[in-house]
Amino acid sequence: AQRVTQPEKLLSVFKGAPVELKCNYSYSGSPELFWYVQYSRQRLQLLLRHISRESIKGFTADLNKGETSFHLKKPFAQEEDSAMYYCALSSPSGYALNFGKGTSLLVTP
Amino acid sequence: EAGVTQSPTHLIKTRGQQVTLRCSPISGHTSVYWYQQALGLGLQFLLWYDEGEERNRGNFPPRFSGRQFPNYSSELNVNALELEDSALYLCASSLGQPRSSYEQYFGPGTRLTVT
Repeated sequence: AQRVTQPEKLLSVFKGAPVELKCNYSYSGSPELFWYVQYSRQRLQLLLRHISRESIKGFTADLNKGETSFHLKKPFAQEEDSAMYYCALSSPSGYALNFGKGTSLLVTP
Repeated sequence: EAGVTQSPTHLIKTRGQQVTLRCSPISGHTSVYWYQQALGLGLQFLLWYDEGEERNRGNFPPRFSGRQFPNYSSELNVNALELEDSALYLCASSLGQPRSSYEQYFGPGTRLTVT
């Protein structure tokens, strides 16, 4: 069965500190993994996906198939990074997303 | 370019009633997805429509149903409402098959409260 686990409901860091939001998954096959973000009073939006291997707003995420993880990292957190972050996996039987429960990131000055 | 739109924004229903939620995808998108975001349960996949056909459904009872129209807009119907159906219902759209990695664009959601 597919499962996406985000072990932290809330993560609080100081501005300028490194941040890592954890995501672990269980999936048999080659997963497609995503990070979505929801800023206050805004829509859920795609932050990045593993296949594009890009850095968005300073965030990166590496797919580690051995550890079945897709952690989101940023070396220096900014206050505007405060938001709800969701890790998601693409379903093999149809392209719906299987979401983790989300991690609320709070960056304090 | 207009984003995904959903209506209504909020609604309140009584247990046992039926409700219809609406979604208009981004122009050019043929796939529409419905998700439920209930308190404490996170975002759960409900239904996926592409080219007018139901392609997949999540682990929800049959009283959750929907359809997609020729203009690719979609409706989500929930019959015999229960208190636990209270949630934010999100619609998303994307380009259609064959690629599962097409980005999904989300609407603002419809907040349903069942009393």
